[in-house]
Amino acid sequence: NAGVTQTPKFRILKIGQSMTLQCTQDMNHNYMYWYRQDPGMGLKLIYYSVGAGITDKGEVPNGYNVSRSTTEDFPLRLELAAPSQTSVYFCASRHRGQEEKLFFGSGTQLSVL
Amino acid sequence: RKEVEQDPGPFNVPEGATVAFNCTYSNSASQSFFWYRQDCRKEPKLLMSVYSSGNEDGRFTAQLNRASQYISLLIRDSKLSDSATYLCVVNPFSGYSTLTFGKGTMLLVSP
Repeated sequence: NAGVTQTPKFRILKIGQSMTLQCTQDMNHNYMYWYRQDPGMGLKLIYYSVGAGITDKGEVPNGYNVSRSTTEDFPLRLELAAPSQTSVYFCASRHRGQEEKLFFGSGTQLSVL
Repeated sequence: RKEVEQDPGPFNVPEGATVAFNCTYSNSASQSFFWYRQDCRKEPKLLMSVYSSGNEDGRFTAQLNRASQYISLLIRDSKLSDSATYLCVVNPFSGYSTLTFGKGTMLLVSP
């Protein structure tokens, strides 16, 4: 059972480039999330989804986009990368009704230079 | 007042010591509370939920004080492997889709 899989693990972008962070889960979870974590800071919610075809903004959505065409996949798109988007990105998922049990991917370390 | 506040630490303790962390939350209507653990450069993982009556899981005890709006985590007989950052997590509303994470408290256990 793979759980939540994120790719890539590391990436360096130039300012203005775009990329997609991939996230897939094989646990048939309804809810999926994207967080970013800056050094010494807590997790900030970027976007979340409560099911296929449904997405909603979190605390820090600017500069990002998401889609949820299937239950398994929840990619995060960065358009026109900026240095402020340098961070560690975590994807997470959970079952509806199990609010405490978030399963996280191993994270993507992104640097924008 | 920030939604979830924690002392960032680090708390430096010797093996075998007892250490306690507190976390305060601003929303008095918050329904659910959790402690997650995050090892350096790793993803967070659920450590334990916090119940109104308090709960224990081995060496770990979690308490909730709704009147003062704080939760606590007590670790007894600290192990080297307990070295990590402990994240306080709050669900502001019952059934709400998202959780609010504190910045975490770092614990360093030394031999």
